[in-house]
Amino acid sequence: DAGVIQSPRHEVTEMGQEVTLRCKPISGHDYLFWYRQTMMRGLELLIYFNNNVPIDDSGMPEDRFSAKMPNASFSTLKIQPSEPRDSAVYFCASGSGMWTQYFGPGTRLLVL
Amino acid sequence: DQQVKQNSPSLSVQEGRISILNCDYTNSMFDYFLWYKKYPAEGPTFLISISSIKDKNEDGRFTVFLNKSAKHLSLHIVPSQPGDSAVYFCAASDSYSGAGSYQLTFGKGTKLSVIP
Repeated sequence: DAGVIQSPRHEVTEMGQEVTLRCKPISGHDYLFWYRQTMMRGLELLIYFNNNVPIDDSGMPEDRFSAKMPNASFSTLKIQPSEPRDSAVYFCASGSGMWTQYFGPGTRLLVL
Repeated sequence: DQQVKQNSPSLSVQEGRISILNCDYTNSMFDYFLWYKKYPAEGPTFLISISSIKDKNEDGRFTVFLNKSAKHLSLHIVPSQPGDSAVYFCAASDSYSGAGSYQLTFGKGTKLSVIP
């Protein structure tokens, strides 16, 4: 298994632009998590899905952030419009009904 | 308010010696704890876990100790090896927060450097 796949690995964009981050979870996993890592706040859970349904999005910072999971093998995290304070590393993780989560390599986002 | 705290941002240890990484938590509802290891430019990888019904779990060179009364857990690595140099995250979960939520709360991490 290739593990959790995230794309792009790096994204540089200008303030105000739309950013879309993509994630392919491990096949058979029914939980998908989106995290953001910053120096100040560490690893924060943004949202998670169970069987493609969003369960808890209380970590999503504001309405500029949205996430979807149209099927079991794909999820997106969208920021529109992006701001410099959104610069961070965004991780996607998947799990199969256990506490152990498997993380992707992350997307390093820089908003200028 | 940080519910999971790793108060040491960094730790340096000589190769072959013991590394002890500490983690404190404030939420008494947490009942499952995990340690993750992260190398630069990679995602965190699961290392070891412990349930609140136990006070120790061992896996090779890695041992996690849980002190529920003190709301404290620690990760021991012995002997430490240069390849152990990474950032270590402590994570906790409250299995009663929702039906099978498996949501994890992470600490900010401790950077371990093992010196050859």
